[in-house]
Amino acid sequence: AQSVTQLDSQVPVFEEAPVELRCNYSSSVSVYLFWYVQYPNQGLQLLLKYLSGSTLVESINGFEAEFNKSQTSFHLRKPSVHISDTAEYFCAVSDYPGYQKVTFGTGTKLQVIP
Amino acid sequence: DAGITQSPRHKVTETGTPVTLRCHQTENHRYMYWYRQDPGHGLRLIHYSYGVKDTDKGEVSDGYSVSRSKTEDFLLTLESATSSQTSVYFCAISPGQGTTSGSYEQYFGPGTRLTVT
Repeated sequence: AQSVTQLDSQVPVFEEAPVELRCNYSSSVSVYLFWYVQYPNQGLQLLLKYLSGSTLVESINGFEAEFNKSQTSFHLRKPSVHISDTAEYFCAVSDYPGYQKVTFGTGTKLQVIP
Repeated sequence: DAGITQSPRHKVTETGTPVTLRCHQTENHRYMYWYRQDPGHGLRLIHYSYGVKDTDKGEVSDGYSVSRSKTEDFLLTLESATSSQTSVYFCAISPGQGTTSGSYEQYFGPGTRLTVT
């Protein structure tokens, strides 16, 4: 069965500093990987995804994540955070067959400090 | 934004009463999901549907039932609400397998905050 581990429940970081949010998954088969973001009192929105091809995927607002199959990781990074990045971030995995059942991690709250 | 609405958005109910939450989509997506979100647990799948009248259980399905009589509507029912079902409930939709790049991502509704007293 697939599972996702986000070890850091909260990550405080100063504005304009870099950040890495860690995600490790467990699955014995081919996987698709996602990062979703949730702003306060809202639903989740897709930030980026890895389905196949290049192991480095990017979002439109400067985040990137790298799929590392040997380490079963999909860490999310941003070189310089903004106040507006304050949100909760969820890593998620779906696997073969079908890829329609998604397992979410417990979330990491990113707090950007002015 | 994907056209997903949830109703009601907030509800307070008493232990032992039945509760039905509604998810409505205008995207004609095949897959629909119900999750609950609780602190420290992230999102956990309750039930999902892969077509009209086709549903399956998720990891926390006990105490919940679902129905999907039309493509656009997915109902979640708590037959007899308990305090442990106090949570925020999210509906999500997904197009399903296909050749478009967005086939595998899920689109979420705004959520329903349910309090069982």
